[in-house]
Amino acid sequence: AQSVAQPEDQVNVAEGNPLTVKCTYSVSGNPYLFWYVQYPNRGLQFLLKYITGDNLVKGSYGFEAEFNKSQTSFHLKKPSALVSDSALYFCAVRPGSYIPTFGRGTSLIVHP
Amino acid sequence: DAGVIQSPRHEVTEMGQEVTLRCKPISGHDYLFWYRQTMMRGLELLIYFNNNVPIDDSGMPEDRFSAKMPNASFSTLKIQPSEPRDSAVYFCASSLAAGTASSYEQYFGPGTRLTVT
Repeated sequence: AQSVAQPEDQVNVAEGNPLTVKCTYSVSGNPYLFWYVQYPNRGLQFLLKYITGDNLVKGSYGFEAEFNKSQTSFHLKKPSALVSDSALYFCAVRPGSYIPTFGRGTSLIVHP
Repeated sequence: DAGVIQSPRHEVTEMGQEVTLRCKPISGHDYLFWYRQTMMRGLELLIYFNNNVPIDDSGMPEDRFSAKMPNASFSTLKIQPSEPRDSAVYFCASSLAAGTASSYEQYFGPGTRLTVT
């Protein structure tokens, strides 16, 4: 069975500093990996995905993530955080079956 | 496209009443998912459909919950009778199977916030 771990419930960063939200996964076979963002009182919104190819994937709002097969990680990064990036971030993995598994979510707080 | 549409956005009902949540997926999407989100349990997959057929309902918590997808553009999640512990935000999401650049990722609706008193 597949699983996703987001080891930090909350990440705090100052505006303008780089940010990282961590995600590790466990799955049989080649993983399809996703990041979603949820703003207050909204549904989850797709940010980026890794299916195959270049390990560094770029997504919406300046976010990127790096697929690391040996470490089974897919950390979300952004070079310079904005206050408006404050939200709940979810990592998800989809193996051969179509049911994606989501992490518990990480609350990102960007301080002015 | 307007995205995934859910109604109502908010529902307050009394224990024992029937609740029906509605979802319209993105046109052309062949998968539809129902999720429940709470602080305690996070995001839970309740059921999903492929081409209007229920594939896996193992996440449905009890027989009080039922879901239908009578056609490609409409799905319902029904709770009968409702209980206070059903209070949560319920999301509908749709996605495409393989074949396009936007395959695999899910598109979520705005959710229905259900409060059962």
